[in-house]
Amino acid sequence: AQTVTQSQPEMSVQEAETVTLSCTYDTSENNYYLFWYKQPPSRQMILVIRQEAYKQQNATENRFSVNFQKAAKSFSLKISDSQLGDTAMYFCAFMKHEWGNEKLTFGTGTRLTIIP
Amino acid sequence: ETGVTQSPTHLIKTRGQQVTLRCSSQSGHNTVSWYQQALGQGPQFIFQYYREEENGRGNFPPRFSGLQFPNYSSELNVNALELDDSALYLCASSLNGGNYEQYFGPGTRLTVT
Repeated sequence: AQTVTQSQPEMSVQEAETVTLSCTYDTSENNYYLFWYKQPPSRQMILVIRQEAYKQQNATENRFSVNFQKAAKSFSLKISDSQLGDTAMYFCAFMKHEWGNEKLTFGTGTRLTIIP
Repeated sequence: ETGVTQSPTHLIKTRGQQVTLRCSSQSGHNTVSWYQQALGQGPQFIFQYYREEENGRGNFPPRFSGLQFPNYSSELNVNALELDDSALYLCASSLNGGNYEQYFGPGTRLTVT
């Protein structure tokens, strides 16, 4: 079974600064996907970024980028030029690359607050 | 493109009752997954439906059941409600064999008293 650990329950950062959220996972699989989801107070889970384990290049989406260290089983999210709208819960999630088993395993989340 | 929708938004039930939650998938998606998110926790996978059949199940008892319809919409049914069933129930749709990305609805907040 896979487990996902987010060791930072809460973080806060000043607007326009850069913040990094940590995530580690445990799996014996070699092919899998990793995701970061954002859940604002509106509750809707929004996909932020995706990383395929077979790709060495770190994924980037505008101000969001990841540092994927497969050997260390680490998958951190960096938010650059943080904005007030980035305030939310952030969840790291794992999915095994297997047809018929497309379930997400989530961490417990990090509550991020952007301070004006 | 229509996003994932869920109904109702909130629901209050009494222990022992039964509840049905509904989800409409994003257009073009053929797979629906259901998750339970207890307060302060990450979502937990309940089950997934593809082509109207259950396609994977998490560690939830049989009183949690579901359906998927030909238009790919889905229902989650919970029988004999318990206090611990109080949670946010999230539905996510995806395209089986696609890019493995799941898109979530706004959730249904269920309170069991």
